[in-house]
Amino acid sequence: EIVLTQSPATLSLSPGERATLSCRASQSVRDYLAWYQQKPGQAPRLLIYNGISRATGIPARFSGSGSGTDFTLTISSLDPEDFAVYYCQHRSNWPFTFGGGTKVEIK
Amino acid sequence: QVQLQESGPGLVKPSETLSLTCTVSGGSISSSFWSWIRQPPGKGLEWLGYISYSGSTNYNPSLKSRLTISVDTSRNHFSLRLSSVTAADTAVYYCATYDHSNYLAYWGQGTLVTVSS
Repeated sequence: EIVLTQSPATLSLSPGERATLSCRASQSVRDYLAWYQQKPGQAPRLLIYNGISRATGIPARFSGSGSGTDFTLTISSLDPEDFAVYYCQHRSNWPFTFGGGTKVEIK
Repeated sequence: QVQLQESGPGLVKPSETLSLTCTVSGGSISSSFWSWIRQPPGKGLEWLGYISYSGSTNYNPSLKSRLTISVDTSRNHFSLRLSSVTAADTAVYYCATYDHSNYLAYWGQGTLVTVSS
């Protein structure tokens, strides 16, 4: 099973700041990696797929980069609605797994 | 726009079988792949398994012996059965499916299942 390790566990930032979230895989997942946003009481929302592609309706301030074992989600300028938990997920081989999450909180 | 809705008991006794159904609207279950994901309270996400429109399945090895996912194309829904539950199976259970990206773009709202006597 491929383990995805996200860092940091918590990111404390102010609105308007840049957020950089990391996801590292225990072995290569090629570019088969997605990022999701989850707010309290809600289902996850797909943001980025195949490492770099924005999902339908996702604002341009969200961008993804990386391939192989190291991936980054960047939020260029935090909007108040962006404070949430972010998960990475791979679909390189079964079982597909999620990272442990990064909470982006208001500083 | 595909919409998903989970239904089933919110409370299950230890050692019994947890059963949930996901009803699909706005799309046909006779295409794509249909998944179950769970999230224990305050914790992360675990992909339990998925079923294709043709009925082929893939289960998380951690649950393989206890988990069954089935699809009913006539009712446009798919189901999960998890046997011999314990308190560790207490979680919000989500059903979800792909869009063109082949990632989980459509999710149900989730249903909390508590395992307790």
